[in-house]
Amino acid sequence: SYELTQPPSVSVAPGQTATISCGGNNVGSKSVHWYRQKPGQAPVVVVFDDSDRPSGIPERFSGSNSGDTATLTISRVEAEDEADYYCQVWDSTSDHVVFGGGTKVTVL
Amino acid sequence: QLLESGGGLIQPGGSLRLSCVGSGYSFTNFGMSWVRQTPAKGLEWVSIIDGGGDSTFYADSVKGRFIISRDNSKNTLYLDMRGLRVGDTAVYFCARMFCANTACFGRELGTWGQGTLVTVSS
Repeated sequence: SYELTQPPSVSVAPGQTATISCGGNNVGSKSVHWYRQKPGQAPVVVVFDDSDRPSGIPERFSGSNSGDTATLTISRVEAEDEADYYCQVWDSTSDHVVFGGGTKVTVL
Repeated sequence: QLLESGGGLIQPGGSLRLSCVGSGYSFTNFGMSWVRQTPAKGLEWVSIIDGGGDSTFYADSVKGRFIISRDNSKNTLYLDMRGLRVGDTAVYFCARMFCANTACFGRELGTWGQGTLVTVSS
């Protein structure tokens, strides 16, 4: 079955850039979506279709996807960005939705 | 808005039905999915259904035990769970896709409910 691999944690100082990777076999051929989840809350889409942002999501959030790695970048990190982040794809071979294991972003 | 219900404490081997009511939009125009999350783990996809209820898919861990369905006349999504195991203990979220047909299965899950807790324990 298809798998997505994320680093368990990323730490970043306020104002700096956080980069979260999402690795998968030829993930560049799929559309990758990213979700942010804060404690006790439901996930929220922050990037969809690799690099598009829903309305209301700051421009500080951006995404890219090529080869075997998709990336979520959070520029000018703020304290409110501290959360768990998940990548997600649809695997048409297995007809499954697949989530990455999640990355906890800690703002120092 | 999506509102789940039906969670609770159930013994191993038991059955449970979860419901998810959608409001504020045309329910039939959107595919739906169930996603679960354990306290220690991340998000795990469970099942997906198109807007008409004709196409469904399941995670390997629940296939043959869970059934996803919908009643568009009641704006309600269901997850019928049987043969429950301790490992099925989780918060279960319903989530709405971008559109109705199977081509949208690759799109993001744009709207989520707040979840309902299912605890499987003796």
